[in-house]
Parts: sequence; structure tokens; C-alpha cells
Amino acid sequence: GAGVSQSPSNKVTEKGKDVELRCDPISGHTALYWYRQSLGQGLEFLIYFQGNSAPDKSGLPSDRFSAERTGGSVSTLTIQRTQQEDSAVYLCASSSGFVTNTIYFGEGSWLTVV
Amino acid sequence: DQQVKQNSPSLSVQEGRISILNCDYTNSMFDYFLWYKKYPAEGPTFLISISSIKDKNEDGRFTVFLNKSAKHLSLHIVPSQPGDSAVYFCAARDSGNTPLVFGKGTRLSVIA
Repeated sequence: GAGVSQSPSNKVTEKGKDVELRCDPISGHTALYWYRQSLGQGLEFLIYFQGNSAPDKSGLPSDRFSAERTGGSVSTLTIQRTQQEDSAVYLCASSSGFVTNTIYFGEGSWLTVV
Repeated sequence: DQQVKQNSPSLSVQEGRISILNCDYTNSMFDYFLWYKKYPAEGPTFLISISSIKDKNEDGRFTVFLNKSAKHLSLHIVPSQPGDSAVYFCAARDSGNTPLVFGKGTRLSVIA
């Protein structure tokens, strides 16, 4: 597609429920990144993919968070048993290669856990 | 431990004047620096970057200055326009396989 596409754009969920956030990167981009921005905070790195592999998962806040990428394209970030502190904007970005310094962001998925 | 710091959460500037946004970093291995701009309800968009081999990079109204010895960079916008009102994020990376590290952002308000 023309840009990074994320869905849903907004999600309100009850504490304890699972949520899935989807990212469709720019066509042909091999690297894909997940960041999140909590209220008053900067962009916190979560995980990145080079192709379908995620070399570094250390940014994931807890084992309730997982992500996968299939076919070198779409990625899904899953949060299990959501907590109120998971409320944030989850931003996906992609780039044409990991050594490429410019990454392109989607509009984000706003998650509110009530 | 924050590796990229933007110590001013907000900045207000009059239209036509210069806006100066500052960023400090602690990791001496960082060799590439970027500024991103974010409007409400949109994702951040790339604005300008600078490599550590340079001390200045200019693109239209936007100039980024890098002072490696002080581990400090700044973004100058001149003249500032109301449409520049946004949150500006400073980001940095090293030459290894590490993702961009972002600061907390500075909210710029340009007053007409």
C-alpha cells in the first residue's frame, strides 16, 4: 500500500480481555517495528522484525505481549489479559531495510483498557 | 535510563520567529540522528536527519545542528509557521543492529 496501515484505529477493551493489533507495512519493506506511546511518554520500542524473524524481543513489556509476522508482510501484536497500564497508542513502522535510517510510521492504534 | 533526552516538554513561539528544539543523548555510539514531527491522531513523520560526520544539515526552513563533544543536537525552524505546531521527537541510532531510540518529545506551539 501507499503507507503503513494499522487497525483498529481505536479499541476500548475490558481489563483481562485479549486484543490483537494489526499492521500492514509499506509494500516491499522488509523491516517492521512496533513502538508504543503512553500518556506523557516518548516512543517506547517494543519489537522489530527483519522479514519474519524477530531478533530482539527484549522491548516487550511482559510475557502478555507477543507479536508475529507472516509472509514478510502483515504483523500482529497481541496483548493477553490486558491491564490498564497497557493503555497507549501502539505505533507500527516499516523501512526498506534495517540499516535504512528512515522509518515510516502508521497512524497508530489507540488502545484504552477500562 | 533514557538515552535520548528532550528536556523541554513544550515550547511556545510567535509566528515568524525562530523555534529551537533541543535534544541531548548519552550513548556515544550513536552516529545518526533524526527528527520526527507528530500531529495529533497521526503517526510521526520523518522531518530531517544528520550523520555524525556532519555538524549541520539544512532543508528549507529546517536546520539540524549536531555538537558531538557535547552530545547535543538542536532543530531550528525559521521562520516558524502555525502549521509547524506539533510534537517533535528526537531519535538516534548506532551503526549496529539496533532500532531507533526516541526522546519524549517537545510540543511546539506557534502562535499567530
